[in-house]
Amino acid sequence: DAKTTQPPSMDCAEGRAANLPCNHSTISGNEYVYWYRQIHSQGPQYIIHGLKNNETNEMASLIITEDRKSSTLILPHATLRDTAVYYCIVRPALYNQGGKLIFGQGTELSVKP
Amino acid sequence: DGGITQSPKYLFRKEGQNVTLSCEQNLNHDAMYWYRQDPGQGLRLIYYSQIVNDFQKGDIAEGYSVSREKKESFPLTVTSAQKNPTAFYLCASSSLAPGQNEQFFGPGTRLTVL
Repeated sequence: DAKTTQPPSMDCAEGRAANLPCNHSTISGNEYVYWYRQIHSQGPQYIIHGLKNNETNEMASLIITEDRKSSTLILPHATLRDTAVYYCIVRPALYNQGGKLIFGQGTELSVKP
Repeated sequence: DGGITQSPKYLFRKEGQNVTLSCEQNLNHDAMYWYRQDPGQGLRLIYYSQIVNDFQKGDIAEGYSVSREKKESFPLTVTSAQKNPTAFYLCASSSLAPGQNEQFFGPGTRLTVL
């Protein structure tokens, strides 16, 4: 079972920031938070991951709370092409089934013009 | 271009036939994975491999088999023993270097068993 909870759907206006929340209250000390997205009928796309500190890359920013029980993915300027299902994943260490990714239901983000 | 390729994109088979799905990567990744996705559901791990000539069962390995004869290739065979094989199959690969374990996915193969 997935160890994360996400809202099933969210809307965002094109050009605005999209803030996608995720709760992972049972996360262990050696587990990372990963974010992927999946556009319909395509393979999931890696976005970003983090352990404790906030992270930023060319796609997004990841804000992890100090107690690590929740996080927020931020897409700073959402475009129509960001419409997808976004998955927040708490990933075990590599020795646990190769660090398998357990995808929950995700958040369906709709970016509207 | 570096990446993961899966072929074919769509595959149709008759019930009772074995079918092999291809997965190739040129990312020089040590680890490779097979997942299955059913409509409206998340991904479930079938098999994974962290080194050539070695592989491990995931959560739903029954009715599937794999091989890892080359680092670049990790084919998945869906056997006639798999009771509900119609699904979207996704292959992924990753480095095993610390801090670089993100998995990169192929485009998937949609298998329909008639």
